[in-house]
Parts: sequence; C-alpha cells; structure tokens
Amino acid sequence: EDKVVQSPLSLVVHEGDTVTLNCSYEVTNFRSLLWYKQEKKAPTFLFMLTSSGIEKKSGRLSSILDKKELFSILNITATQTGDSAVYLCAVATLDAGNMLTFGGGTRLMVKP
Amino acid sequence: NAGVTQTPKFQVLKTGQSMTLQCAQDMNHEYMSWYRQDPGMGLRLIHYSVGAGITDQGEVPNGYNVSRSTTEDFPLRLLSAAPSQTSVYFCASSYGGAAEAFFGQGTRLTVV
Repeated sequence: EDKVVQSPLSLVVHEGDTVTLNCSYEVTNFRSLLWYKQEKKAPTFLFMLTSSGIEKKSGRLSSILDKKELFSILNITATQTGDSAVYLCAVATLDAGNMLTFGGGTRLMVKP
Repeated sequence: NAGVTQTPKFQVLKTGQSMTLQCAQDMNHEYMSWYRQDPGMGLRLIHYSVGAGITDQGEVPNGYNVSRSTTEDFPLRLLSAAPSQTSVYFCASSYGGAAEAFFGQGTRLTVV
C-alpha cells in the first residue's frame, strides 16, 4: 500500500523564521512528488518534483527531492503571516492513473 | 477563468438519502478525480477517470458511484448517505501524465 508521511504535524513560528517541512514516501512506481498549500478551501499547487537533487524555487519557498532516500523537504525562508496554512505533500504513481496519494499535512502557524 | 467548479458548496443530508455532487472543468483536462478530506487528514482518493467513458476506484470507493460521459463533467453520486460520509469533498482535474492537479473549491457535506 502506498504511503506518504509528513512531519511535523504542526508548527508554530514567528515572522522572519525559516521552516523546513518534511515528506517521506513509500510507493510503487513513483512518478512525481507534489507540494500544495491549503488555506481555507482548495489546495493550491506549489511545486512538482520528478528528479533527485534539483531544487525548485519560487520566491521564499523552495523544495528538493531525494529519490534514493525517498523524501522531500519544503523550505520557507523569512516566513510571513500569510504563509500560515496546511502544507500537503502528495505522490503520483504510474499506477492508479497518475492520481495522488496525500500525506496528512503539516499545519504551519506564523505569528506576528 | 472558471477552472474546476463544484456544486453545491454545502449540503446537509439525512441518513439514507441520495445525492449527486457536481464537478465541471473547462480546461479540457483528460484526468478527473474525487477526493475526500476528513479533519486532521490529508485527501483520500475516492474515484478517478482518465478520460470520457473510463472510470476506476481509488482508495475509499465504497458508497460512491461515478460516471464520465463527457470530458468536462465528473459527477459523484452518494447512493445511500451515512454519517461516515460526512466530509469535505474535492474534485480535481489535470492534463494527465506528470502534471499538477487543479482543485475545485470543495463541497462540505454533513450527514445526520
């Protein structure tokens, strides 16, 4: 059974801090790993990673994948209150029509 | 830009009632899927479709039916609602392959 585990479950930081969110996975026929941000409603796409060691970056957010050790990290530098959200990691496999298996999410709260 | 549209946004059902959650996308995506999200958990795949006329089961399909008669629409039917189906339901679509999924705004369903 495919499995995606995120840690920590929740995190409280102050504005300006740097945070690292973790995602480990055990799946067959890995295709890609995706990060989403979920505020009040629908998850919104952040990154998709398919190759090991290549960092994806968007502003203060960055992510990297390690396909040998089966994990990914999402870094957020200089956090802002607007970064408060649940961050979801998901893995797409070649089975199940490329559908996503999600981790339980990390709830991040950024205090002023 | 409509993207993925779900209706209704909220619904309360009595145990044993049936209903259909609607999902439509205007991006000409081949892949569509339904997820449910329970408190403190990530999203779990209910059913998915890789094209018109093709559907398959995900992780938690029991109590739900789907059909895909057009590329645009992918309705989810609850046959006989149970309190265990109280959840937030998300519809998603993607181009397929190694592509990110776009999510609708969700339907909050309560079964009493």
